[in-house]
Amino acid sequence: NAGVTQTPKFRILKIGQSMTLQCTQDMNHNYMYWYRQDPGMGLKLIYYSVGAGITDKGEVPNGYNVSRSTTEDFPLRLELAAPSQTSVYFCASILPVGTAYTEAFFGQGTRLTVV
Amino acid sequence: AQSVTQLGSHVSVSEGALVLLRCNYSSSVPPYLFWYVQYPNQGLQLLLKYTSAATLVKGINGFEAEFKKSETSFHLTKPSAHMSDAAEYFCAVSEADAGGTSYGKLTFGQGTILTVHP
Repeated sequence: NAGVTQTPKFRILKIGQSMTLQCTQDMNHNYMYWYRQDPGMGLKLIYYSVGAGITDKGEVPNGYNVSRSTTEDFPLRLELAAPSQTSVYFCASILPVGTAYTEAFFGQGTRLTVV
Repeated sequence: AQSVTQLGSHVSVSEGALVLLRCNYSSSVPPYLFWYVQYPNQGLQLLLKYTSAATLVKGINGFEAEFKKSETSFHLTKPSAHMSDAAEYFCAVSEADAGGTSYGKLTFGQGTILTVHP
C-alpha cells in the first residue's frame, strides 16, 4: 500500500494563479483532511471530509475549496493564489473505529510558494 | 474549543540525556491526545496516543507520555536521547462532542524542535 500520496511535492505560483493540490489514499479511509503548516504555528485544519460527497470547513478555509467525489481522492483547490498561502500543505486520512480513533496517516506534504 | 500549548519551541539535549517535551491541553470533554514526530521534509508520524485506556502510554522508539487530568498535561519523555531523535514534535488533541462523536479533527500545538548534541 502506498498510504497517502500527495502531488506535487513542490510548486511555485504567481499571485492570482490557481492550482489543485492532489491527495489520494489507498487504505479505504472514510475521513480525510487538509492541514497547512506554517513555522512556529503547528498545523491548522483547512477542510475535512467524512465521506464521498461530504465536506466541511476547518479552522482556516478562506481562499480554498475542496471536493470529495470518491473515497480515495480529496483535492484542494486554490483559486486566486496569495502570498499568505505560502505554506506546507499536508493531507491526512483516518479509518474511524467507533469513538476511539486510530492514528491519522499523513502524506509527505506539498511545499507551495506564492510570489 | 480545545487548544494545545507546547512549552518551548526549541529543546536541546545531549545524547544519552533525558528528553522532556511539555504539552498542556484545554478541553471541555475527555480528550484523545497524540504525539506526532516530523523528520525533515517528511510528513507526520504517530509516536503514541492516549485514548483513556491507561494514563501512562508507551510509544515507538522508547518514548512515553503520561496523561495527568489534574494538570491537563500530556508530557512526552524518553530516558536516553539518541541522535536519531532530532526532529520536530507535535502534541495534538482530538475532541469528542457530548454524544461521543469525533470527526478526528486534530488541534495541534506549535511544535517543539528537538536538537540532540553528541
